[in-house]
Amino acid sequence: GAGVSQTPSNKVTEKGKYVELRCDPISGHTALYWYRQSLGQGPEFLIYFQGTGAADDSGLPNDRFFAVRPEGSVSTLKIQRTERGDSAMYLCASRAGTSEYNEQFFGPGTRLTVL
Amino acid sequence: GNSVTQMEGPVTLSEEAFLTINCTYTATGYPSLFWYVQYPGEGLQLLLKATKADDKGSNKGFEATYRKETTSFHLEKGSVQVSDSAVYFCALIPSGYSSASKIIFGSGTRLSIRP
Repeated sequence: GAGVSQTPSNKVTEKGKYVELRCDPISGHTALYWYRQSLGQGPEFLIYFQGTGAADDSGLPNDRFFAVRPEGSVSTLKIQRTERGDSAMYLCASRAGTSEYNEQFFGPGTRLTVL
Repeated sequence: GNSVTQMEGPVTLSEEAFLTINCTYTATGYPSLFWYVQYPGEGLQLLLKATKADDKGSNKGFEATYRKETTSFHLEKGSVQVSDSAVYFCALIPSGYSSASKIIFGSGTRLSIRP
């Protein structure tokens, strides 16, 4: 079956611009996560959705970052007034159910470059 | 706080060599421990996991044992292949976060296998 998909695969933007990154989770997965991976580092947690609501947004670095999941499926990560330091790979993962023992499945990521 | 420290790479080995990638963690309670792998051009995949002390996770010839006394989860494989070339991430999910289950990753170890 289809895995987690993310679009676009690459995004180049200029400092100060607004960007949206999209995640399509595995069908039926109620849990959705966003992570950010800087070059040479491991992914870092940004935000977690269970259904439509953001259950934990403690990883968002500041108020320029926002994410939505209005129908409990597709999610969009939104970054306002982008800065060069926002350049990274943005990963989305989805998980079935609520058990922490269920595997999180990762998408291929969106590489964001802010010039 | 919770953190994961793993062996810095890159690690270069010849085919059929023995592999060890060291990983230690800091966490309260009893976290679940994981190894993820990222093959070139692909998304993160779960390689193996262990959810309690003395558990051994295994998959594709790789093994890791959850050692609470040394807070370690070292990855081993007896005979590596060229197809094992990838970046390996040690990770944990802290206990007590059963609804969020955000993954905390190490910085990754790049493994290259020479034919």
